[in-house]
Amino acid sequence: RKEVEQDPGPFNVPEGATVAFNCTYSNSASQSFFWYRQDCRKEPKLLMSVYSSGNEDGRFTAQLNRASQYISLLIRDSKLSDSATYLCVVNGGGYQKVTFGTGTKLQVIP
Amino acid sequence: NAGVTQTPKFRILKIGQSMTLQCAQDMNHNYMYWYRQDPGMGLKLIYYSVGAGITDKGEVPNGYNVSRSTTEDFPLRLELAAPSQTSVYFCASAIVGNEQFFGPGTRLTVL
Repeated sequence: RKEVEQDPGPFNVPEGATVAFNCTYSNSASQSFFWYRQDCRKEPKLLMSVYSSGNEDGRFTAQLNRASQYISLLIRDSKLSDSATYLCVVNGGGYQKVTFGTGTKLQVIP
Repeated sequence: NAGVTQTPKFRILKIGQSMTLQCAQDMNHNYMYWYRQDPGMGLKLIYYSVGAGITDKGEVPNGYNVSRSTTEDFPLRLELAAPSQTSVYFCASAIVGNEQFFGPGTRLTVL
């Protein structure tokens, strides 16, 4: 099993739709979790951290399920500008390397 | 704050040539990382450093070397460039356990 797994997509959704991505991780001792956004030919940028209690930032909601070892990202009212690749990131803590998922590509269609 | 800076932005190398990719950060982060990203693929960790003088291999270290003489700088050295090293290279920095900040990347082509 890969350390971090994501559905590569692409997810093609119309403007205004709600879309959700999941990301599973194998290390039950993982301590911190993030969602990053990467635009074509650009560097990854932090979208949001994922807390145990879940967190929301405008149209974006992130949740963590430790029992089933996955994190999720929900995007409501999709905009054309949301088109990008979304990377989930899991941090094992301490000296362990941070592990990036391979990303889920989202294409929002007019 | 400039954040994480990388030079050069683009480079074309001939097979067998060597070069150093520069990375610097001004956020006083202890952790620094080098990744490569091949077209349409995810990030692969080459090397990382937990502080000045301390470096360790990631999942794809062969063909590369690093050093960390200061907190700010983390150069990546390519020796004997090969076409398989054609990629985009990203440097990142972080405070342990927290988000990573990425540089804009260096696009390297080996012909």
